[in-house]
Amino acid sequence: EPEVTQTPSHQVTQMGQEVILRCVPISNHLYFYWYRQILGQKVEFLVSFYNNEISEKSEIFDDQFSVERPDGSNFTLKIRSTKLEDSAMYFCASDGTPNYEQYFGPGTRLTVT
Amino acid sequence: RKEVEQDPGPFNVPEGATVAFNCTYSNSASQSFFWYRQDCRKEPKLLMSVYSSGNEDGRFTAQLNRASQYISLLIRDSKLSDSATYLCVVNNLDTGNQFYFGTGTSLTVIP
Repeated sequence: EPEVTQTPSHQVTQMGQEVILRCVPISNHLYFYWYRQILGQKVEFLVSFYNNEISEKSEIFDDQFSVERPDGSNFTLKIRSTKLEDSAMYFCASDGTPNYEQYFGPGTRLTVT
Repeated sequence: RKEVEQDPGPFNVPEGATVAFNCTYSNSASQSFFWYRQDCRKEPKLLMSVYSSGNEDGRFTAQLNRASQYISLLIRDSKLSDSATYLCVVNNLDTGNQFYFGTGTSLTVIP
């Protein structure tokens, strides 16, 4: 069964550093998403991406964040100048159907120290 | 005002019981509705979409009430493996491809 994969599974970084989180969506999917979940809190939408551009972004997704689809398979989330409060689980998701049924990757746990 | 609200629970039910969760949403323009389940420290997994006419998948039944702006999930004949957090997810027409998650309802099925 096709699945969304994410790397790394855990990233530890120092405050102020830049991190890149990587995702490989399901191959025939067209819509891609990033979410975050702070420990003990709800899943929060960050951004959606379609046809090589951002289609929607939340208030959380400010200039500190960027996304890219550098090739036909990877979808990345870059966080510049990380802050302690960026520590969270970051999930990538994709969907390929018009009814928005999303499939999530296993997540990257980001710890900012 | 929260976009999506759920009773956090926890719900503790014996095996074989029937349990129901409700979820309310604030935006009447909401377009698509889903139930996901999330196991501890794992990713959300799609359980089912919720259609206007209601839909059933095995032991799970989802209903949508647009007039009252709520969604429900009914689980019949609960199994131990149903223990998880159930997330209500809504997509709003006016924000396009942006999804709002509830905080989730915790279910523990007891032997």
